[in-house]
Amino acid sequence: GQQVMQIPQYQHVQEGEDFTTYCNSSTTLSNIQWYKQRPGGHPVFLIQLVKSGEVKKQKRLTFQFGEAKKNSSLHITATQTTDVGTYFCAGSNTGNQFYFGTGTSLTVIP
Amino acid sequence: NAGVTQTPKFQVLKTGQSMTLQCAQDMNHEYMSWYRQDPGMGLRLIHYSVGAGITDQGEVPNGYNVSRSTTEDFPLRLLSAAPSQTSVYFCASSYVGRTEAFFGQGTRLTVV
Repeated sequence: GQQVMQIPQYQHVQEGEDFTTYCNSSTTLSNIQWYKQRPGGHPVFLIQLVKSGEVKKQKRLTFQFGEAKKNSSLHITATQTTDVGTYFCAGSNTGNQFYFGTGTSLTVIP
Repeated sequence: NAGVTQTPKFQVLKTGQSMTLQCAQDMNHEYMSWYRQDPGMGLRLIHYSVGAGITDQGEVPNGYNVSRSTTEDFPLRLLSAAPSQTSVYFCASSYVGRTEAFFGQGTRLTVV
């Protein structure tokens, strides 16, 4: 079954509000990736985190990897309508087998 | 550069029929994988391969077969389709070593 849990499942925000999705694993991860999937599209890679406590930023997006390497978060500042989609985390313990979270579907209301 | 190409994009099958979903990549990636995506379930790994001639099972392998005779191609075979296999299927490829995965456009499969 799923080893990576993601919350919330859905999030509706007004344009300009912030958004955060959280990812939790029952086991320690070697690394974690984040993907975005637009409605009707395919997942597109955003970023990979490897180090404990790592924080990376991409413009309005901030990604964090927990100190224990069991959780991660994606925070979007001042959402825009172009941010609409489903955000997935994907964690790996060893090798190339990634376990995807259930995803957070973001709706941005103009 | 085509990236990851999946065919067909849509398919309707009758229960008990078999079919092959095709996946090809032109990036010389060693690692290829198949996922299925169902509402509220995220993407679940079906099978994966770390190189030609090597395949392994993921989380939900039952009812599916794969083979990897070349680096470029990684077909997914449904042996005897069941309604529970109605889903969107994604193929992905990457370099070995936990780097970013590139996904195909997906195949929407309906089994009636």
